[in-house]
Amino acid sequence: EAGVAQSPRYKIIEKRQSVAFWCNPISGHATLYWYQQILGQGPKLLIQFQNNGVVDDSQLPKDRFSAERLKGVDSTLKIQPAKLEDSAVYLCASSLDGGNEQYFGPGTRLTVT
Amino acid sequence: GQNIDQPTEMTATEGAIVQINCTYQTSGFNGLFWYQQHAGEAPTFLSYNVLDGLEEKGRFSSFLSRSKGYSYLLLKELQMKDSASYLCAVRDWDTGRRALTFGSGTRLQVQP
Repeated sequence: EAGVAQSPRYKIIEKRQSVAFWCNPISGHATLYWYQQILGQGPKLLIQFQNNGVVDDSQLPKDRFSAERLKGVDSTLKIQPAKLEDSAVYLCASSLDGGNEQYFGPGTRLTVT
Repeated sequence: GQNIDQPTEMTATEGAIVQINCTYQTSGFNGLFWYQQHAGEAPTFLSYNVLDGLEEKGRFSSFLSRSKGYSYLLLKELQMKDSASYLCAVRDWDTGRRALTFGSGTRLQVQP
């Protein structure tokens, strides 16, 4: 079974630029999560989708971050404009509807200079 | 909201046993999870507790006391490959979320 796929794996941008990340969850997983993990900290939830609907985006900085999950499968997370403090690993995870275990992708390491 | 505390770093010897503690405060507890994360890699699921008691899975065991807001992860017969960060995470049903709130992780170093 293929795992959660993410791209790109690494991205370096200058502050005020824009960036987008892509995630393809495990086939059949209805729930998709985007987490931000700053170095030395645990992952922090940014947004949770159930199929193509948003369940929780209370911690998403909506002035600069946006995410969508068209057709309830792939998802993209965008930052526009980026700030230095956005430097982090962005993890995508998915789970079965009602499942306990979340499966994480390899992450995208973003460096904002 | 949730507040999760776990030690920042621990060191143990190969072949020994180590216990990593986690305390939490949450209003609508609905499960405690442990994840392992090797440096530069994604977290991988280790265990899930929703009822009090001990869950054993091979060399790893996880304990939960809901009344005390306390959990631990027990690693037996430590191997060098167990050197990693161990993340404690809590799920809270109050908001209807299934997403997890993670602690900052405990970095375990296993020495020969």
